[in-house]
Amino acid sequence: GAVVSQHPSWVICKSGTSVKIECRSLDFQATTMFWYRQFPKQSLMLMATSNEGSKATYEQGVEKDKFLINHASLTLSTLTVTSAHPEDSSFYICSAPTSGDYNEQFFGPGTRLTVL
Amino acid sequence: AQSVTQLGSHVSVSEGALVLLRCNYSSSVPPYLFWYVQYPNQGLQLLLKYTTGATLVKGINGFEAEFKKSETSFHLTKPSAHMSDAAEYFCAVKGRGAQKLVFGQGTRLTINP
Repeated sequence: GAVVSQHPSWVICKSGTSVKIECRSLDFQATTMFWYRQFPKQSLMLMATSNEGSKATYEQGVEKDKFLINHASLTLSTLTVTSAHPEDSSFYICSAPTSGDYNEQFFGPGTRLTVL
Repeated sequence: AQSVTQLGSHVSVSEGALVLLRCNYSSSVPPYLFWYVQYPNQGLQLLLKYTTGATLVKGINGFEAEFKKSETSFHLTKPSAHMSDAAEYFCAVKGRGAQKLVFGQGTRLTINP
């Protein structure tokens, strides 16, 4: 199956700093990628849809200036958490769909962000 | 709009016992249906999916699910639980032609020795 990687797998940062998380589709091209946030013992919450070569589409209630998304190539999307605060601490997961009738999504391994 | 309901946020079974995780969906037309498994601090792994055709779908690790249109259900089963099955399980639905997955709230499966 298709492989999606994320980097870093975990990061600890100080409050007020910015953190960039990368999501890569390793063996297929993805014009669209999805970014999710997952709180402990909860389901995945879709934050935004990343579109290659155009602006991301954010879900209602997600601050676009806080969570900057860039999809610069067909295999790379980045999520930057700007001016991070402890409440931004979470597990961030990206996914990328393959082409085809049902666009099966493949998920990255996730990034654990801890803001001190 | 589509939605997914997983009955039971936590299911506990004994090793060797039947595993049954329930999922009901709401959709105006039969959607694509998925079950994912998530181990601690990891991403999601696809267990199985229903897109079209045979309603009984077999997946990895001995899991299977049956799509029942009349009941709008897609319950996940495994005849005999193994300790390694302990994880979080998510049911998800995607409309035909849609991009986004809609997830259920998840079910934590615990296996008792």
